[in-house]
Amino acid sequence: EIVLTQSPGTLSLSPGERATLSCRASQSVTISYLAWYQQKPGQTPRLLIYGASSRATGIPDRFSGSGSGTDFTLTISRLEPEDFAVYYCQQYGSSPLTFGGGTKVEIK
Amino acid sequence: QVQLVQSGAEVKKPGASVKVSCKASGYTFTSHGISWVRQAPGQGLEWMGWISAYNGNTDYTQKLQGRVTMTTDTSTSTAYMELRSLRSDDTAVYYCARVDHPIAPTATDYWGQGTLVTVSS
Repeated sequence: EIVLTQSPGTLSLSPGERATLSCRASQSVTISYLAWYQQKPGQTPRLLIYGASSRATGIPDRFSGSGSGTDFTLTISRLEPEDFAVYYCQQYGSSPLTFGGGTKVEIK
Repeated sequence: QVQLVQSGAEVKKPGASVKVSCKASGYTFTSHGISWVRQAPGQGLEWMGWISAYNGNTDYTQKLQGRVTMTTDTSTSTAYMELRSLRSDDTAVYYCARVDHPIAPTATDYWGQGTLVTVSS
């Protein structure tokens, strides 16, 4: 099973700042089958990024994904008020699919 | 528009079973799969397994093998997840989510609203 470790656990930033979230895999993720999701309190997860770097439909271009192998990054170029949430990475290259533990982006 | 509508909240006793439904609309049901993901209170996301609505193939996490069964009814575009021998640590919100591929579990682009299953004596 591929274990995904997200860091930091919590990121305290102000609106307008840049957020950099990390997702490290215990072994290489097949063909960069890595997704990122956003979840706000009381809401369902929303797909942001798939294939490590492709934005899902309707996702603003301030969200970008990068990385390959075992190291992946989600970058939010300029935080908007609605971006404060928990972010999860997920690998879907090998079974069982696994999620990281999440990074909470909170208002500083 | 794509919608996944799940059945309502359930309260079950330890040892019982629960069956959650997920009715899909707005797309060709058999062109995608359905993943099931759960989230215990205040915790992260846990992938439970996946079913292809195209050919009925399934893949379950080993942790739940023997206790979980996922099925689909293509005549009504509905997916089902049954979990047996419930324990208190099965208390969670259960989500169905559309998989963006017919025969492999990939990223999930649309999610149901979630079904809270509470296991308590």
